[in-house]
Amino acid sequence: GENVEQHPSTLSVQEGDSAVIKCTYSDSASNYFPWYKQELGKGPQLIIDIRSNVGEKKDQRIAVTLNKTAKHFSLHITETQPEDSAVYFCAASTSFGNEKLTFGTGTRLTIIP
Amino acid sequence: GAGVSQTPSNKVTEKGKYVELRCDPISGHTALYWYRQSLGQGPEFLIYFQGTGAADDSGLPNDRFFAVRPEGSVSTLKIQRTERGDSAVYLCASSQDRAKDTEAFFGQGTRLTVV
Repeated sequence: GENVEQHPSTLSVQEGDSAVIKCTYSDSASNYFPWYKQELGKGPQLIIDIRSNVGEKKDQRIAVTLNKTAKHFSLHITETQPEDSAVYFCAASTSFGNEKLTFGTGTRLTIIP
Repeated sequence: GAGVSQTPSNKVTEKGKYVELRCDPISGHTALYWYRQSLGQGPEFLIYFQGTGAADDSGLPNDRFFAVRPEGSVSTLKIQRTERGDSAVYLCASSQDRAKDTEAFFGQGTRLTVV
């Protein structure tokens, strides 16, 4: 089955700086890669996603890049703000959709004011 | 409410007991998913419903776990003969359709503690 590895497990950045979180996946059939933000006591919330037919997607301060050859995808957050502090999860699926997502182990991002 | 609702928010049960966890998806969402999240880990897939039927139950760890969605809306995850290793946050999510470009919305989860 699919295996998703995520690094780093913790990340602290100064407010205003950029943060990068990286994930690798094992199943070359994976074609959908969402990123979720989870705040304490809440369920994960989708922040951005990308499908295998594109290499990059951007939404305001958030961007995701995908390298299918290397089976690697990354989340980039620019101009970080204190409210960006949370746990971030990458995920992958082979269905172009939400069924049977395989999640990474999470990155705890702390923005230092 | 507008979001996915899960009840109870917390459940403490004794080892060997039976528990039921309920999920109310967003109205009109045909797809419903159950995940389990252990402390410090990412969510782990359990089962996916499309309408009333379980389209993929390959994530259920063993036959003590069972889920139903009889009318294509509310779903119940049932765990028999609970074990301490079942302790986790059980998350439910729903989306409009599995095939279209739609977002899966997660509930806040039910924290199950087996003592």
